[in-house]
Amino acid sequence: GEDVEQSLFLSVREGDSSVINCTYTDSSSTYLYWYKQEPGAGLQLLTYIFSNMDMKQDQRLTVLLNKKDKHLSLRIADTQTGDSAIYFCAEPIYNQGGKLIFGQGTELSVKP
Amino acid sequence: NAGVTQTPKFQVLKTGQSMTLQCAQDMNHNSMYWYRQDPGMGLRLIYYSASEGTTDKGEVPNGYNVSRLNKREFSLRLESAAPSQTSVYFCASSEGTSGYQETQYFGPGTRLLVL
Repeated sequence: GEDVEQSLFLSVREGDSSVINCTYTDSSSTYLYWYKQEPGAGLQLLTYIFSNMDMKQDQRLTVLLNKKDKHLSLRIADTQTGDSAIYFCAEPIYNQGGKLIFGQGTELSVKP
Repeated sequence: NAGVTQTPKFQVLKTGQSMTLQCAQDMNHNSMYWYRQDPGMGLRLIYYSASEGTTDKGEVPNGYNVSRLNKREFSLRLESAAPSQTSVYFCASSEGTSGYQETQYFGPGTRLLVL
């Protein structure tokens, strides 16, 4: 079945770049997603990438997709303390509508 | 638009008690979902509903029941709460269109403590 793996923690200094990595299993996924969860809140969609793209850039965010290795990464440039949150990658469950399978989440801690 | 709302925000139960978590969305979405979030385990799908009148089991359905009352509302019931059900519960909704970019919108969560 599908599985999504992430490392659990990442700590960076303010102003540095952060790179959060994710591996997934279903090569037929059409879209792959990054969600952000701030403390005490629900998840919000941060960005997504279509599977025929290698890269997507959106202001400080860069998503890289390596389909051969089934590897997805999220780079946050000039990381700020407000970026401290848990970041989840997610892929659709094959042929099951809008259902998603989520990774364990990476807790990003940004130190001033 | 309020988006996805959940009640209550926080609840303490004793083992064996029952309760219903309520969820409503005002985005006219077809699909609704219940997840639980536990440290180090990400979000795990409990039940989902692809459309009004249908429900299906997710990854961890044991000990829970759901009801899709109408298109707006999707409730989660714990008939006999156990300490292992201590968790944060999230409801989400999406348009429910297979194969297309599909954003799930999440509620703020219900924190449940079972003693």
